[in-house]
Amino acid sequence: DAGITQSPRHKVTETGTPVTLRCHQTENHRYMYWYRQDPGHGLRLIHYSYGVKDTDKGEVSDGYSVSRSKTEDFLLTLESATSSQTSVYFCAIRGGQGLNEQFFGPGTRLTVL
Amino acid sequence: AQSVTQPDIHITVSEGASLELRCNYSYGATPYLFWYVQSPGQGLQLLLKYFSGDTLVQGIKGFEAEFKRSQSSFNLRKPSVHWSDAAEYFCAHVTSGTYKYIFGTGTRLKVLA
Repeated sequence: DAGITQSPRHKVTETGTPVTLRCHQTENHRYMYWYRQDPGHGLRLIHYSYGVKDTDKGEVSDGYSVSRSKTEDFLLTLESATSSQTSVYFCAIRGGQGLNEQFFGPGTRLTVL
Repeated sequence: AQSVTQPDIHITVSEGASLELRCNYSYGATPYLFWYVQSPGQGLQLLLKYFSGDTLVQGIKGFEAEFKRSQSSFNLRKPSVHWSDAAEYFCAHVTSGTYKYIFGTGTRLKVLA
């Protein structure tokens, strides 16, 4: 257990609404990630962070922004939610042996109507 | 581009039968390889990992995997499947010194009683 929590766990929202998902970790990990999971696509990286205020884009970053103002929190914002952003979102940290392992949070199921 | 291929989308086995899930990766350098399991509505749990050394690695829940460089494969095996193994399995890799983990699209395992 890497001490990762995500909130909310479920959310239903309407198209055009801004949405913020939160990932919180308790073990001072430097690297944090946001993925989305969709059937047939596995996990795709949205954004990642390698320290406070240090973030970078992944392969599916369009329509998403992130912020990390303190080590323990990594926020994912959908600036104007669209139906194509209906997905399950997972946060992960990098730790373990040689800092090469990833550990995942429980996920947030987001539905955009 | 780096990629991970899991050629089997669905696999069905009888309880007590042996299991092999296939994973192929494409990258020249030695990758770090992982298998994760995801039960319905849950996050991803690390089953096992390969970094270097012995090419046969043991994981949790009685799973093992074998790294074969010549075939660019990292197949997951279990000698006797239990009904509780029904889940989705993801293969992933990361290259040492990089941030980006590449995931396969997953194999959903169904276990018949």
